[in-house]
Order: sequence, then structure tokens, then C-alpha cells
Amino acid sequence: SQQGEEDPQALSIQEGENATMNCSYKTSINNLQWYRQNSGRGLVHLILIRSNEREKHSGRLRVTLDTSKKSSSLLITASRAADTASYFCATDHRGGADGLTFGKGTHLIIQP
Amino acid sequence: ETGVTQTPRHLVMGMTNKKSLKCEQHLGHNAMYWYKQSAKKPLELMFVYSLEERVENNSVPSRFSPECPNSSHLFLHLHTLQPEDSALYLCASSQGSVGDSYGYTFGSGTRLTVV
Repeated sequence: SQQGEEDPQALSIQEGENATMNCSYKTSINNLQWYRQNSGRGLVHLILIRSNEREKHSGRLRVTLDTSKKSSSLLITASRAADTASYFCATDHRGGADGLTFGKGTHLIIQP
Repeated sequence: ETGVTQTPRHLVMGMTNKKSLKCEQHLGHNAMYWYKQSAKKPLELMFVYSLEERVENNSVPSRFSPECPNSSHLFLHLHTLQPEDSALYLCASSQGSVGDSYGYTFGSGTRLTVV
């Protein structure tokens, strides 16, 4: 299977702490993307990192990519209650409009 | 609103019914997608349309029939569904074309229940 697998499946932390989620995949990628989904809603694109990049930042988000280990991590710093959601990594294996492959997601709960 | 609108938001249908899901985007994207999201399973890619041409059909049962009349609209026609087809159906669009990679914009989904 090409799909990414997020780890952990669920994570509960206190507001203000940092949250780290990991994603592993099996075949080479063109890019890797992270999405957030609030309960029963559509997914929201957070960040895209290309295969030749190692780290990207966007606000309180930091994504790393290690293509040698076929893994990525998403760090959310100074978490807020509004960050409570499911987070998915998605891999683009062929580039272009061929469809992303999603993992099962990490359910993040921020305790106030 | 994300720029991708799906209707209806909720749909309950019998196994013998015929219904259609609609997706609309006015973001100028040239690729559109249907995904199925079932409980405790990864999102499953169902159909990809790029420049109104179907690019991929991931072995989806024929009871699901997509239609893309233009680059802004995408339909999923449903007939004689099974209870296991109950899921959240998500539409997405992107600027993707061969060799390019962009993030997807998702609609809010249609929650389908087959009874």
C-alpha cells in the first residue's frame, strides 16, 4: 500500500503544549501534504512539502520530511483548544492530478 | 465556505433509489476529485477528473457513476446502493496537471445513509 500511516492514532495534550504527529509512507513521493478535519466536515489543507525540501513552516506549524526514512512529522506549537481536530498526511506519488493517498489520521484533543 | 460547495449536506436513500451528489467550484481549478470517507478507514479516492476528462477510476463499483460536464461542476450519480456505501462523500479540487502538485480544496461533504 502506498498510503501514509499517522502515528499516534490519538493524542491528548494540555493547551499551550506542543503536539507532534508522525507520518510514514512506503513508496517514493512527489510531495507530502498535511490536512486538518474538524468533526464531520471537509478537510482543510495546511501545508505542502516537496520531496526536495526538508522543513517548512507556516505560522505555528512546522513540517519536516525525511525521504530516506520515508517519514514526515507535523509539529503544532503552543496548541489551542481550536486545534482539536483530526490531522491527515497525504502523499502525492506521481505528481499532478492523479489523486492524493491519505492515511487514517491522528485525532488530536487539546484540553483547556 | 472553502470555495467548493457540495449539495446536499445530508442524504438518506433507500437501496432502490437513484440520487445524485453535486459539487461546484469557482476557484479556476482544473482538476476535481471524489473521495469516500468511512469510519476508521483512510479516505478512498474514487474518481479523478482533469480538464473534464476522467483520469482515474479506482475500481469503484458501477453503482457509482461520475459526471463532469465542465471544469466547475462534478456529479456523482448513485443507484441501487448498499448499506455499506453509507459514508461521507467528499469532493475536492486542485490546480493539478501532469507534473504539478498543489494542495486540494475540499467541500464540506455529503453525509450519505443508505437504508
